[in-house]
Amino acid sequence: DGGITQSPKYLFRKEGQNVTLSCEQNLNHDAMYWYRQDPGQGLRLIYYSQIVNDFQKGDIAEGYSVSREKKESFPLTVTSAQKNPTAFYLCASRRGAGANVLTFGAGSRLTVL
Amino acid sequence: AQTVTQSQPEMSVQEAETVTLSCTYDTSENNYYLFWYKQPPSRQMILVIRQEAYKQQNATENRFSVNFQKAAKSFSLKISDSQLGDTAMYFCAFMKHGVGSGGGADGLTFGKGTHLIIQP
Repeated sequence: DGGITQSPKYLFRKEGQNVTLSCEQNLNHDAMYWYRQDPGQGLRLIYYSQIVNDFQKGDIAEGYSVSREKKESFPLTVTSAQKNPTAFYLCASRRGAGANVLTFGAGSRLTVL
Repeated sequence: AQTVTQSQPEMSVQEAETVTLSCTYDTSENNYYLFWYKQPPSRQMILVIRQEAYKQQNATENRFSVNFQKAAKSFSLKISDSQLGDTAMYFCAFMKHGVGSGGGADGLTFGKGTHLIIQP
């Protein structure tokens, strides 16, 4: 079945460490997105990519980095520069131009100790 | 930029009752899409219903329907005959329309959500 796989589901890190969250899709979607979810804040856009080797900053990109070397993969790195990284992270994809539905992965919960 | 506001942080109703969740938005766009997503305790985001702004008819999906008031920039969700499985966070979301202007390229703008609890 087609879908989006996020890993790991739970991740713990010490302060000052970088961590990479994986997002893989087999839907052949062109566009991919990373959102951050905090209690009472809804979902906020971190980065998005419409095509391979291209990506744009979202509303809260500071302290994060991404790459899009393959169509099916859009990993997110949470760097030590991110002041408050503990959150739930959701990856999503969209078929492409003209498509209006986002499909979401199951999410990754990052906790900084 | 667009904003989405959900003014009800939490709501609680009895099973089988009808409940309405509110959503207002602000945008300068004329064509766009509006969505309601459900996030149950599993935290998987599930699309409930979507509305195209240029369509006057309100969208309906089984027990879920919307009241779309474009002039008022209001987009409420009505759940009829509520069930225990409807207990979840509900998010209202906005997406720009259009291909040429990159509409939709930056994904969805979400409200902060309403926690809906269905009591047995």
